[in-house]
Amino acid sequence: QKEVEQNSGPLSVPEGAIASLNCTYSDRGSQSFFWYRQYSGKSPELIMFIYSNGDKEDGRFTAQLNKASQYVSLLIRDSQPSDSATYLCAVSRYSTLTFGKGTMLLVSP
Amino acid sequence: IAGITQAPTSQILAAGRRMTLRCTQDMRHNAMYWYRQDLGLGLRLIHYSNTAGTTGKGEVPDGYSVSRANTDDFPLTLASAVPSQTSVYFCASSRDRYSSYNEQFFGPGTRLTVL
Repeated sequence: QKEVEQNSGPLSVPEGAIASLNCTYSDRGSQSFFWYRQYSGKSPELIMFIYSNGDKEDGRFTAQLNKASQYVSLLIRDSQPSDSATYLCAVSRYSTLTFGKGTMLLVSP
Repeated sequence: IAGITQAPTSQILAAGRRMTLRCTQDMRHNAMYWYRQDLGLGLRLIHYSNTAGTTGKGEVPDGYSVSRANTDDFPLTLASAVPSQTSVYFCASSRDRYSSYNEQFFGPGTRLTVL
């Protein structure tokens, strides 16, 4: 059974701080890793993907991957109240995408 | 249209009734998917299609059927709805399914309540 684990939260951070969201996965053969943002009542929106060990930066977002530790994280710099949402980690091996249950992030003004 | 559309947005349905949820994409993606999302259980794959004319079962296929007559459309049918099928249903698509680098994009969802 492939598993993707996330802390359900909520993770509360003040505006302007760095939010760190973490995800672990069980399938050592996983090849690609995705972060989706989901606002309440809305659909998941792809915000980052990473395929290789290390960091990948896109604006205020940085995805970090450590395949040896089976760990992927998402850092959000200069957090804004508009970043308040649930963040879903998803892991893929070949064609199957497995989602974690998500971490709720609350950014307070 | 830009992306994926789903219809209806929401529906209340009596148990035992037949219901088809519609999904259309205009990105010319080969692969399409149906997920359900339930509180505490996350997103679970119901059915998928690698390309027009082919379909496959996901994690929770029982009680659901799909068809893929063309590239753009991927309807999901509940033959005889039951209350446990109350959920939010998301359609998604990706360029192809065989590659691991298959970023999936989601439609706006259908909120279904079965009474």
